[in-house]
Amino acid sequence: GNSVTQMEGPVTLSEEAFLTINCTYTATGYPSLFWYVQYPGEGLQLLLKATKADDKGSNKGFEATYRKETTSFHLEKGSVQVSDSAVYFCALSESYGGATNKLIFGTGTLLAVQP
Amino acid sequence: NAGVTQTPKFRILKIGQSMTLQCTQDMNHNYMYWYRQDPGMGLKLIYYSVGAGITDKGEVPNGYNVSRSTTEDFPLRLELAAPSQTSVYFCASSPQFGELFFGEGSRLTVL
Repeated sequence: GNSVTQMEGPVTLSEEAFLTINCTYTATGYPSLFWYVQYPGEGLQLLLKATKADDKGSNKGFEATYRKETTSFHLEKGSVQVSDSAVYFCALSESYGGATNKLIFGTGTLLAVQP
Repeated sequence: NAGVTQTPKFRILKIGQSMTLQCTQDMNHNYMYWYRQDPGMGLKLIYYSVGAGITDKGEVPNGYNVSRSTTEDFPLRLELAAPSQTSVYFCASSPQFGELFFGEGSRLTVL
């Protein structure tokens, strides 16, 4: 079945460091891919998404490119801030009979940014 | 800007008790979902609904029930609570093939 694998955390970085969080997926068909972020004590929020191969999603300085050839959707940011400390979830959409928008999530990666 | 509202935020149950987690959304979304989040396990889909009167099982439905009598509300019922149901529960809603909007979560402990 469909699945998402993302790098285990925690990832600890100093402020202004470069961030990469790896995400690979297994899916039939052509899923959409997402990164969600969960700040402490809050629900998940959509960070960015890509709906087809070679699309690049971007938001708040974060980027991820939908790579069908490597089945990957790695999250990157050039210079992290303390306020980026959160748990990041990679996810893919799974359509069931074309009538739903169910998401399959990875296990999440905790990012801790130190000043 | 209410979005998706879940209640209660915290609850402690004894084994065998029952309770209902409430979820309501004010965005007129047809699609609603219940996920549970366990440490190191990501989120698992419990039940989902594509509209009022229509519900279906997700990946981990055992021990839970749902109903969807209105577009706004999607309560999750736990019957005969067990320690394995200790988790953080998230309700979400979405338009068709659109972004999921999540509530802030309900932390449930079963002792």
